[in-house]
Amino acid sequence: GQQVMQIPQYQHVQEGEDFTTYCNSSTTLSNIQWYKQRPGGHPVFLIQLVKSGEVKKQKRLTFQFGEAKKNSSLHITATQTTDVGTYFCAGYISVGGSEKLVFGKGMKLTVNP
Amino acid sequence: DTGVSQDPRHKITKRGQNVTFRCDPISEHNRLYWYRQTLGQGPEFLTYFQNEAQLEKSRLLSDRFSAERPKGSFSTLEIQRTEQGDSAMYLCASSLTGEGNQPQHFGDGTRLSIL
Repeated sequence: GQQVMQIPQYQHVQEGEDFTTYCNSSTTLSNIQWYKQRPGGHPVFLIQLVKSGEVKKQKRLTFQFGEAKKNSSLHITATQTTDVGTYFCAGYISVGGSEKLVFGKGMKLTVNP
Repeated sequence: DTGVSQDPRHKITKRGQNVTFRCDPISEHNRLYWYRQTLGQGPEFLTYFQNEAQLEKSRLLSDRFSAERPKGSFSTLEIQRTEQGDSAMYLCASSLTGEGNQPQHFGDGTRLSIL
């Protein structure tokens, strides 16, 4: 079943608004990665969080890893039209002795200029 | 950095035919991954290689799917006796190995359409 869940799946915002999207795992993650996929493009790595409670910023994007390492959030400040795309969180989950990267379904962001 | 390249970009074929896709990873990356992505979903793990060794294969992957990386550089993914449900974007990614898990760099994918 789905091991990494993202909410909401769709987000439509007015340009300039702030918003937050969430990622939850059914299991504890060793780390979590976030990717962005523009329409018609491929996933592009944004950031990796490793430590419990870690917070990292990239310009207007703030990423946080939960204390229990089972959830993460992405907050975008002052949304711009260039932020349009689908944001995926992905966690390494141990399966049969090896770890594989499991992606959520993604959060599709559209921005009204 | 030439990035990850995949060939072909698009493949249209009739049900029952065999297809083969190629992935050329970033040259210094020793890990190579194959994913499948359908509309509205995230990439779904299929298999991965470290150098030429195939270390993991998804249990969801039927025996019609096979992947190789004979010299530890490029990889091929073959689907035999294609079915309608195989229609998807097939993504390849590569990464370095190192302490912890490394970022994966994706190619543009091969879009497979089964008629």
